[in-house]
Amino acid sequence: DTGVSQNPRHKITKRGQNVTFRCDPISEHNRLYWYRQTLGQGPEFLTYFQNEAQLEKSRLLSDRFSAERPKGSFSTLEIQRTEQGDSAMYLCASSLAGAGTDTQYFGPGTRLTVL
Amino acid sequence: AQTVTQSQPEMSVQEAETVTLSCTYDTSESDYYLFWYKQPPSRQMILVIRQEAYKQQNATENRFSVNFQKAAKSFSLKISDSQLGDAAMYFCAIKIIQGAQKLVFGQGTRLTINP
Repeated sequence: DTGVSQNPRHKITKRGQNVTFRCDPISEHNRLYWYRQTLGQGPEFLTYFQNEAQLEKSRLLSDRFSAERPKGSFSTLEIQRTEQGDSAMYLCASSLAGAGTDTQYFGPGTRLTVL
Repeated sequence: AQTVTQSQPEMSVQEAETVTLSCTYDTSESDYYLFWYKQPPSRQMILVIRQEAYKQQNATENRFSVNFQKAAKSFSLKISDSQLGDAAMYFCAIKIIQGAQKLVFGQGTRLTINP
């Protein structure tokens, strides 16, 4: 069990550019979640997948955000036309549905800075 | 909708002493899980302890224990024999069992351990 991994760990971009983040969940986990965390706040839910199906999206996920999980394995989160307000830590978590409390295990996050 | 409130933005404790972090929540659901996560500086979110709402017995994990008061919608975390490595942001979170799979987090409590 290697844990949840996220790449890149840091991303600096200019306003208006597109960025893409990757998350690799714990291998047997069928659920994958994306959260956004701004400085000094708790994480806020963005979206989640069960296998390859995107089952829930937050209102925080504007049209500039898109997430995919092809083949139910890794996931990508893309932000188009980035804005300074997108600067945050983007956290990925995974869990195994039906396993007790369905506990979510988090990755180290990708810190995005939009200049 | 679920909400979580952590009323203590910062707490400090002497090494080897005991500290209690407060958390209150609101939900109209009767079946849910509660979690405490720890986020050390510049490091990833780690699960500390979890509690099933249907269980009356308070969860315990080594030096960490909770005081779960369902009627009062309170879920405090007690850390005994505090260690320097316990210094971190602590987040309380709730997840309902049926329906939305997201975690809803509080704003966090920053815990400082004084040597």
